[in-house]
Amino acid sequence: RKEVEQDPGPFNVPEGATVAFNCTYSNSASQSFFWYRQDCRKEPKLLMSVYSSGNEDGRFTAQLNRASQYISLLIRDSKLSDSATYLCVVNGGTGRRALTFGSGTRLQVQP
Amino acid sequence: DADVTQTPRNRITKTGKRIMLECSQTKGHDRMYWYRQDPGLGLRLIYYSFDVKDINKGEISDGYSVSRQAQAKFSLSLESAIPNQTALYFCATSDPTSLRNTDTQYFGPGTRLTVL
Repeated sequence: RKEVEQDPGPFNVPEGATVAFNCTYSNSASQSFFWYRQDCRKEPKLLMSVYSSGNEDGRFTAQLNRASQYISLLIRDSKLSDSATYLCVVNGGTGRRALTFGSGTRLQVQP
Repeated sequence: DADVTQTPRNRITKTGKRIMLECSQTKGHDRMYWYRQDPGLGLRLIYYSFDVKDINKGEISDGYSVSRQAQAKFSLSLESAIPNQTALYFCATSDPTSLRNTDTQYFGPGTRLTVL
């Protein structure tokens, strides 16, 4: 089982739609969680951190469910510019010193 | 100017050649990382360094070596390149003193390496 699993997609949605991605992680000791965005052939960039209480940044909402070991990203009112690959990222927990990246979920927002 | 730079940006080489990829950062971060990205596999950690005297293997270090010449520089070497090392390579940094996100990583623009 992969340490971090994501549905690769692609998710094809019309502009204005709401879309949600989930990600599951295997290490119950993980402490930090993130969503990164990666445009085609570009470097990943931090979209948002995911906190236990959930957090919202404009049209983006991230949630963490420790009991079920998954995190989610909700995008409301999708824009064409949201088209990208979204990477779920988890730290390794106690004793692990680096992050583990999911393989990403591709989103294509269509006009 | 970019905070994390990588050279070269693109490189085509032949099997058996020695290749060095370089990474420099002006962010003042102690932690630096090398990843490779392959289609469908996401980013995989090759090596990481938490300070100049600290070098650690990642999940796929075989066939690679690194050198941390200074806080700002972290180089990745392929001693004898092989075709399955064809990939997109990213360098990243992070700041352990950040009050909010000690694990947030900042990536360079990537190096596209092709081994024929």
